Amino acid sequence: DTGVSQNPRHKITKRGQNVTFRCDPISEHNRLYWYRQTLGQGPEFLTYFQNEAQLEKSRLLSDRFSAERPKGSFSTLEIQRTEQGDSAMYLCASSSWTSKNEQFFGPGTRLTVL
Amino acid sequence: SQQGEEDPQALSIQEGENATMNCSYKTSINNLQWYRQNSGRGLVHLILIRSNEREKHSGRLRVTLDTSKKSSSLLITASRAADTASYFCATDAAGAQKLVFGQGTRLTINP
Repeated sequence: DTGVSQNPRHKITKRGQNVTFRCDPISEHNRLYWYRQTLGQGPEFLTYFQNEAQLEKSRLLSDRFSAERPKGSFSTLEIQRTEQGDSAMYLCASSSWTSKNEQFFGPGTRLTVL
Repeated sequence: SQQGEEDPQALSIQEGENATMNCSYKTSINNLQWYRQNSGRGLVHLILIRSNEREKHSGRLRVTLDTSKKSSSLLITASRAADTASYFCATDAAGAQKLVFGQGTRLTINP
């Protein structure tokens, strides 16, 4: 399967714990995006990388959130000191700079904070 | 906050009928894309239409774009039970890479 993959698919954690999610984009894609989706809503943009450079961050990305893409391939999204309001689906997408910004999404990581 | 709105929020039709969903947005765009999402799953890319295009087809899908009205429609012809899903439109503005999504239309196809 050459699509976008995300791990884990589900994460249950207690409030105050740290969590880290991983995204592996389509191999030839140099752009990678993180979105968050809550129940009944459309996805909301969090951050965007071109290669290893983080080029844009949403105001939604508080200082408890950090994302990296160290070698311009996979990316990680870490949430520190999780809060119940962080419970959501975290979606990763990738695109190629040649593709008119067609973004292809992974299956998502569903986070539940107890 | 969301860029636009899909209309209707929910749509229920019989298998074989056509389904039309509408999307409105607020700012000038480069492209508009439609995605499908099955319950609890990731988004599947359906079709992209550029701001200088007015209509595009892909299989049973037909998308129109009216930039003067800042609106788009997605038509699914000859619907099937497997089309049951939420459908989202997403736009990107000139010079921007992020997609801005609407709240989606929940489509139910009854057998």
